[in-house]
Amino acid sequence: QKEVEQDPGPLSVPEGAIVSLNCTYSNSAFQYFMWYRQYSRKGPELLMYTYSSGNKEDGRFTAQVDKSSKYISLFIRDSQPSDSATYLCAMSGWGNAGNMLTFGGGTRLMVKP
Amino acid sequence: NAGVTQTPKFRVLKTGQSMTLLCAQDMNHEYMYWYRQDPGMGLRLIHYSVGEGTTAKGEVPDGYNVSRLKKQNFLLGLESAAPSQTSVYFCASSPPAGSGGARAGNEQYFGPGTRLTVT
Repeated sequence: QKEVEQDPGPLSVPEGAIVSLNCTYSNSAFQYFMWYRQYSRKGPELLMYTYSSGNKEDGRFTAQVDKSSKYISLFIRDSQPSDSATYLCAMSGWGNAGNMLTFGGGTRLMVKP
Repeated sequence: NAGVTQTPKFRVLKTGQSMTLLCAQDMNHEYMYWYRQDPGMGLRLIHYSVGEGTTAKGEVPDGYNVSRLKKQNFLLGLESAAPSQTSVYFCASSPPAGSGGARAGNEQYFGPGTRLTVT
C-alpha cells in the first residue's frame, strides 16, 4: 500500500464548477501538506502549503487538512479551463531526512468550456 | 532569473550506455533533488542534496549516482542504462524557508524535465 493515495482521474467538469481533489495518507508523522499543479509536459509548481490541520484559502483555492482522518482536500471554486492540469498532493514530517516530500500519484483535472 | 534548468530536454540511450543529466539553479538554494516520474507512480525521489558537497539516497537510488560539486549544480548519472530507467526526470531546488512559512524542502521549484528513453 502506498503511503499517499490519490485517485488518478481523469476528473472532467464544466467551467464554473466547484472541484474537489483529495488524498489519503497512512503516515501519522506527516505534518506539512502541499498541493502542486503540473501542466502537461511541464514541471510541478507549488500551489498551496498548509501546516497541520485546518483550512487555508488563496483566491479560488482552498486547502483542507483533517489529520484525524488522514485526509486532505483541495477545492477549486469557479473552475476555469486554465485549471486543467494534474494536481499532486505532497507531504512531509519532522523526521523526514532532507525534508523529503512524499507525493501522491496525481489527479488529472479537465475543465471544459 | 532562469530558475531551475535541465539539460538535455530529451535523450534516447541504448541499454548499457551512460549519460549525465545536468541541473542548474540560479536562486542560491541549498537543497536540491532528483525525481523520476512514471505513469501511475507519481514523483519518486532518486537522490537529494542538502548542500554543496553532500548527497544522500532517496526512495529509488539504485542505478543512479549524483554529485554536487557546486551549490548551483546537481548532476545525475546513469552508469549503465536499462530500459527500466525510461522515465521523465525532474530536478528541483528548495530554499531554507519558503514563502508563507514553508519549511525548507516543502516549497520546491522544479525544472522542465528530461525525457529519457532507453531502448
